[in-house]
This record gives sequence, C-alpha cells and structure tokens, in this order.
Amino acid sequence: ETGVTQTPRHLVMGMTNKKSLKCEQHLGHNAMYWYKQSAKKPLELMFVYSLEERVENNSVPSRFSPECPNSSHLFLHLHTLQPEDSALYLCASSQELGREQYFGPGTRLTVT
Amino acid sequence: AQSVSQHNHHVILSEAASLELGCNYSYGGTVNLFWYVQYPGQHLQLLLKYFSGDPLVKGIKGFEAEFIKSKFSFNLRKPSVQWSDTAEYFCALRPSGGYQKVTFGTGTKLQVIP
Repeated sequence: ETGVTQTPRHLVMGMTNKKSLKCEQHLGHNAMYWYKQSAKKPLELMFVYSLEERVENNSVPSRFSPECPNSSHLFLHLHTLQPEDSALYLCASSQELGREQYFGPGTRLTVT
Repeated sequence: AQSVSQHNHHVILSEAASLELGCNYSYGGTVNLFWYVQYPGQHLQLLLKYFSGDPLVKGIKGFEAEFIKSKFSFNLRKPSVQWSDTAEYFCALRPSGGYQKVTFGTGTKLQVIP
C-alpha cells in the first residue's frame, strides 16, 4: 500500500463516546499533520508533528488529543465531542516541515 | 498573520473553455505557494507549487499558475478544460524559511459541463 491511509473512512459517534482516528504514511516522510475540513471553511490546521515531536497545536480543544508513536503513524483521539466537531478530518505528511503535503482520503466524522 | 483569498467559490464552464481561478494572499515576506485539487470522492493532491525561480509554474494535467509578486497573486490557469477537471481547487501559502504553517484558501468548486 502506498501514500497516506486513514481509518476509519466514516465514523458516527455520540457525544459521550471515545474513539480514535488513525493515519499511516508509507512515504518515509518526517512530518505529519491533522486538518479539519468543514463545509465553506478553509482547511484548519490542528496539529503538526515532526520526527514524532509536536511542533504545533493550533488552539485545538482538549477533547482532541493527538499521538504520534513513530514517524509513520499518527492518531487523533476523540473524547466527548460536540455536534459542531462533525467534519472531514484529513491527515497529511511531508518529507520535512514546510514541504508539499500528501493527503490521505480523510475520515468523515459525524457527532450525534 | 498570513491569509489566502479565493474569491470564486463556484465556477461553471463548458468543455474547451479557458480557466482562470483567482488566488490572492496577504503576507509581507517571501512565500511558497501551492495549488491542490480534490476530485469528487478522492483525496487532496498537489497540482503545482512555487518555491522560487520562474514565476510561471507548470503542473500536472496541463495546469499552470503565475506568481505575480506585485499583485500578491497566484492564479491558476488552463487553456482548455475537460469534464474530468471537475473538482475543488485550493490555493495555499506558506511563508518561506524555517518552519511556517501552510494556510489554505476556502476553495473553488469547478464544474465542467460536457
């Protein structure tokens, strides 16, 4: 498998659930990113990791918790989300920080 | 802080028409610029990028973009669109030097009618 993969592709969760999104990149890149894509809004950068260290946390609520166990994997742990958190969550990677990013297909999250 | 504006939210063209999608940015220093495309049901992918050198950048599938520093613009062009170009197009900016985050525009949906 090549590129950037994300699982699950679709997720429906209640506000009291705990779930995790997974991202894996098969490109040998050093940097990984989480974005939120909502309708009619620009992509919102959430978190950035470089060589497994968090570089940026863009004022994201604590109900979103990232984890980067190694340079190929990135998780987004979700806890007590709100309906307005429903969106497409995109993972991306780049060879190094600032270089062009390669995106995964996203996880369509619906919070009920 | 930097920002990216894409004023055309939805563009409808007939096949073979010429395309120009606007992208303007706000940032006082040196920038790297990108266009990404998202085809229906597919993930975002890089169309072209500008880092330095020739301000006219050629990308995949016949697309090109011109960086005009004096106008803070990086418009995307294609001389003759095809139905398969139907997609959403995103302009993005990254200030040059060190680690700087990428800022995306709101996107332009292009619909090409056969």
